[in-house]
Amino acid sequence: QVQLQQWGAGLLKPSETLSLTCAVSGGSFSGYYWSWIRQPPGQGLEWIGKINHGGSTNYNPSLKSRVTISVDTSKNQFSLKLSSVTAADTAVYYCARIPLGYTYVGYWGQGTLVTVSS
Amino acid sequence: QSALTQPASVSGSPGQSITISCTGTSSDVGGYDYVSWYQQHPGEAPKLMIYDVTRRPSGVSNRFSGSKSGNTASLTISGLQAEDEADYYCSSYTSSSTYVFGTGTKVTVL
Repeated sequence: QVQLQQWGAGLLKPSETLSLTCAVSGGSFSGYYWSWIRQPPGQGLEWIGKINHGGSTNYNPSLKSRVTISVDTSKNQFSLKLSSVTAADTAVYYCARIPLGYTYVGYWGQGTLVTVSS
Repeated sequence: QSALTQPASVSGSPGQSITISCTGTSSDVGGYDYVSWYQQHPGEAPKLMIYDVTRRPSGVSNRFSGSKSGNTASLTISGLQAEDEADYYCSSYTSSSTYVFGTGTKVTVL
């Protein structure tokens, strides 16, 4: 059974860097894109970016200047860093799995609420 | 990239059919047969309901179906049930090798 377990700091101050990690278990790490998606409270979903096991990335153009997604294949983990956060970055952040050759999210992490407040 | 446009809400009585639209551009919905649909109940992660416009994952009820015409994709729920009450989001692959989600539709079962 594939599981995506994510963790990271839940409360940040403006201008700090958001950092989240997602560990993958119960399935192959290669053969997939690993993605981050967020959802502000009461609002819709926003795609942040994706990475494959080789480290090739694609980012949402609106966030590209502040986002870094990295992968650690030795630990079957991937991470998200979002710099210079503001209150507008307050959201539930999900890690997710996209099969290579496909364009849908088949598995989601449990979500992490990150609040940005002074 | 702009979010795909969905109606804010759609409602129907049990047993009826409803359709949710998802309108994009030729750079996303209209350019690829890569539209997927997700169902999200409050407090839960989204669940995949339809992918590649019309394909249904194993375990998803055949009451859910998808289609596309031009720059607009649609999700139809037939035989509406109380458990279908949720938020629904479409998503499309884009010409920039990124993804874009729809604005979301709240489905209410009357």
